[in-house]
Amino acid sequence: DTAVSQTPKYLVTQMGNDKSIKCEQNLGHDTMYWYKQDSKKFLKIMFSYNNKELIINETVPNRFSPKSPDKAHLNLHINSLELGDSAVYFCASSLTGNEQYFGPGTRLTVT
Amino acid sequence: AQTVTQSQPEMSVQEAETVTLSCTYDTSENNYYLFWYKQPPSRQMILVIRQEAYKQQNATENRFSVNFQKAAKSFSLKISDSQLGDTAMYFCAFGGQGGSEKLVFGKGTKLTVNP
Repeated sequence: DTAVSQTPKYLVTQMGNDKSIKCEQNLGHDTMYWYKQDSKKFLKIMFSYNNKELIINETVPNRFSPKSPDKAHLNLHINSLELGDSAVYFCASSLTGNEQYFGPGTRLTVT
Repeated sequence: AQTVTQSQPEMSVQEAETVTLSCTYDTSENNYYLFWYKQPPSRQMILVIRQEAYKQQNATENRFSVNFQKAAKSFSLKISDSQLGDTAMYFCAFGGQGGSEKLVFGKGTKLTVNP
């Protein structure tokens, strides 16, 4: 009965590779988000989608491409991975009032 | 743009005592939401408490309560009867009025509850 799930939870890969992180929510929310948490624990928004439409696209390199096949799913694809992409990536979802529920996070390590 | 400041990078408290975590924010909006999230070592982000800016009454959730001062743009979290399981990073976050607004987070306060 997980509310917001992400796969994988851990991802170790080499520089230059392409990888994807998947997110699914079963809360019936219509807005989903991707946040990045850096090594100093700072959390920052990357993208948000509302009913499959891109709403927020912060200053993120275009190597990062979100895709929302339906309003319950928001995936993140990263091309040509760099060392600086190493971080924890959180998916979140919300319905109203900005009360966002977070997934367990994906720790990405680029070597 | 909104900013959120948590001026205490680390704090510690003895079990069963009370601790207050500080948060200030800056915004030109009149209606918004404020949140405290907890991130234990498990990494999961857990919503602790939320406050709507239009409500004067401070929010409470069991041992957690806030002191919301809208004019001063201050939003502190009080944890009463601290428990070992309260050990975690605590993040203050600002959310705009719209349903799809991003959350702007502070840098967090690392709280340790000592036995």
